[in-house]
Amino acid sequence: AQSVAQPEDQVNVAEGNPLTVKCTYSVSGNPYLFWYVQYPNRGLQFLLKYITGDNLVKGSYGFEAEFNKSQTSFHLKKPSALVSDSALYFCAVRGLTGGGNKLTFGTGTQLKVEL
Amino acid sequence: GAGVSQSPSNKVTEKGKDVELRCDPISGHTALYWYRQSLGQGLEFLIYFQGNSAPDKSGLPSDRFSAERTGGSVSTLTIQRTQQEDSAVYLCASSFRTSQETQYFGPGTRLLVL
Repeated sequence: AQSVAQPEDQVNVAEGNPLTVKCTYSVSGNPYLFWYVQYPNRGLQFLLKYITGDNLVKGSYGFEAEFNKSQTSFHLKKPSALVSDSALYFCAVRGLTGGGNKLTFGTGTQLKVEL
Repeated sequence: GAGVSQSPSNKVTEKGKDVELRCDPISGHTALYWYRQSLGQGLEFLIYFQGNSAPDKSGLPSDRFSAERTGGSVSTLTIQRTQQEDSAVYLCASSFRTSQETQYFGPGTRLLVL
């Protein structure tokens, strides 16, 4: 079975400061990893994904994530946070074996960026 | 281009009634997924369609839930004899293929069962 853990329900950061939203995963074999963002009363918007290749993945709105196989992590980062980044962030994994074609999501991390 | 669309955006129903939720995937996407987002349960997979293959129904919570995809495009999720615990946001997603491709989500249907 595949699983995702987002250990922080909420992350608070001041605008202009770097932000990190943590994610660890468990799958059989190599993972496909995704980050999505959800604004209030909206669907999920794709931010970035790791399939293979460089461990540092760059995505939309200045976000990036680093795949760390030894730590089974895929933390989301941004060098300088904006108030408009405040939203609910989901990490998701799809395993290449088992788990089928579904995405398994973490429980989400609420990011709050304050002035 | 147009994204995934879902209708209705909101649905209020009485316990015991049947409801149908509709999803129009992105044109050309062969894979279609339904997920449910509810408080305390997070985002959970319900069902997946890929082309003409038999759907993966492994996430459906009970036999009151069913889904179909006509002509490889539009999908309908049906919940029979709704219960209050069915209240949630039902999200549809589509992708080109099933392996490396990104799933793109619709805005969801917010279902409230009274």
